[in-house]
Amino acid sequence: QKEVEQNSGPLSVPEGAIASLNCTYSDRVSQSFFWYRQYSGKSPELIMSIYSNGDKEDGRFTAQLNKASQYVSLLIRDSQPSDSATYLCAVERGAQKLVFGQGTRLTINP
Amino acid sequence: DTAVSQTPKYLVTQMGNDKSIKCEQNLGHDTMYWYKQDSKKFLKIMFSYNNKELIINETVPNRFSPKSPDKAHLNLHINSLELGDSAVYFCASSLMGGGETQYFGPGTRLLVL
Repeated sequence: QKEVEQNSGPLSVPEGAIASLNCTYSDRVSQSFFWYRQYSGKSPELIMSIYSNGDKEDGRFTAQLNKASQYVSLLIRDSQPSDSATYLCAVERGAQKLVFGQGTRLTINP
Repeated sequence: DTAVSQTPKYLVTQMGNDKSIKCEQNLGHDTMYWYKQDSKKFLKIMFSYNNKELIINETVPNRFSPKSPDKAHLNLHINSLELGDSAVYFCASSLMGGGETQYFGPGTRLLVL
């Protein structure tokens, strides 16, 4: 079992709809969770971080964390073509170490 | 102002050569990292340094040697390059470590022929 698992996609969503990205992790002691966005040929950039169970909202983005189920998700409301990218889930595992999932490629169709 | 910078952006070289990649951050962060992203876009940590001290050394061939002359710089030297070393190498930094946000450099695209 991979430490951090994501559906690699591609996930195709019509413009204006909600895009839902999911991630599961195997290490129960992880406390910090991150969503990074990576455009083709560019470096990853942080979208959201979440540390507590529940929802965390930032603009059109909502991160959801359920530590009991070892599950973290990212919702993108009112999806725009500019949201088309690969989304990387990252889980903190021990001091200073992030473990990344393989990423979900998201395409927003106009 | 560039927060995390890397040089060179592109590196094309022959098998067996030795090459170095340099990274600098002007964010005042204590921790720096090297990641490798393969052709399937899987991003994997290689090394991390905290204030010039090696903290993480993943299962990486010893042909890869990081060096941190000060906490703002982290370089990566690769000896005897192999075809499988072709990848994008990202440098990153964070204020401390653990649950801190990491900021990535633009990446160095290495192609070994």
